[in-house]
Amino acid sequence: NAGVTQTPKFQVLKTGQSMTLQCAQDMNHNSMYWYRQDPGMGLRLIYYSASEGTTDKGEVPNGYNVSRLNKREFSLRLESAAPSQTSVYFCASNPDRTNYEQYFGPGTRLTVT
Amino acid sequence: DQQVKQNSPSLSVQEGRISILNCDYTNSMFDYFLWYKKYPAEGPTFLISISSIKDKNEDGRFTVFLNKSAKHLSLHIVPSQPGDSAVYFCAASASGSSYKLIFGSGTRLLVRP
Repeated sequence: NAGVTQTPKFQVLKTGQSMTLQCAQDMNHNSMYWYRQDPGMGLRLIYYSASEGTTDKGEVPNGYNVSRLNKREFSLRLESAAPSQTSVYFCASNPDRTNYEQYFGPGTRLTVT
Repeated sequence: DQQVKQNSPSLSVQEGRISILNCDYTNSMFDYFLWYKKYPAEGPTFLISISSIKDKNEDGRFTVFLNKSAKHLSLHIVPSQPGDSAVYFCAASASGSSYKLIFGSGTRLLVRP
């Protein structure tokens, strides 16, 4: 049982390049979330998916797209990376609709130059 | 406007003493609160939570207190241990919000041996 896994761990992009951050969970959780963490700002929600086939915007969705490929996988795509998207990205999942606790992956550190 | 605030960026305490981490919130719709702990280069891990129907929840060395009238919660760690040194995030959620979490900016705790 690996929990929540994220790939890659590190990535450097040039401005304008695109990439997809992958996230998978093996806990059969319904809900999945993408956050970014910036110094002094805590974690901010980018997008979330309450169930397979649904996605919704969080606090900071601009510049990102997501896909809930199946119940296990939730990917985050940057179509045209900008330096402002330099951050640490965390994926999380939630076990059921009565439990607020989210389980987090180890993160992806992204640098856009 | 930050809905969840952790006004102390850092805290240093002696091993064996009590650590008190504070969190304030502004949204009266929040009815569930969580504390997460984060080590460097790892994802946040759940520590303890409290529902708004309670004013205290205890789990071993960790106790969370909720003062709804003051919109304030605190995490007490007794006794503090060097392994508790980490960044602590307060998070809040509201019923009907798809279990989305709003995080504070974090407090870095250092427990000195």
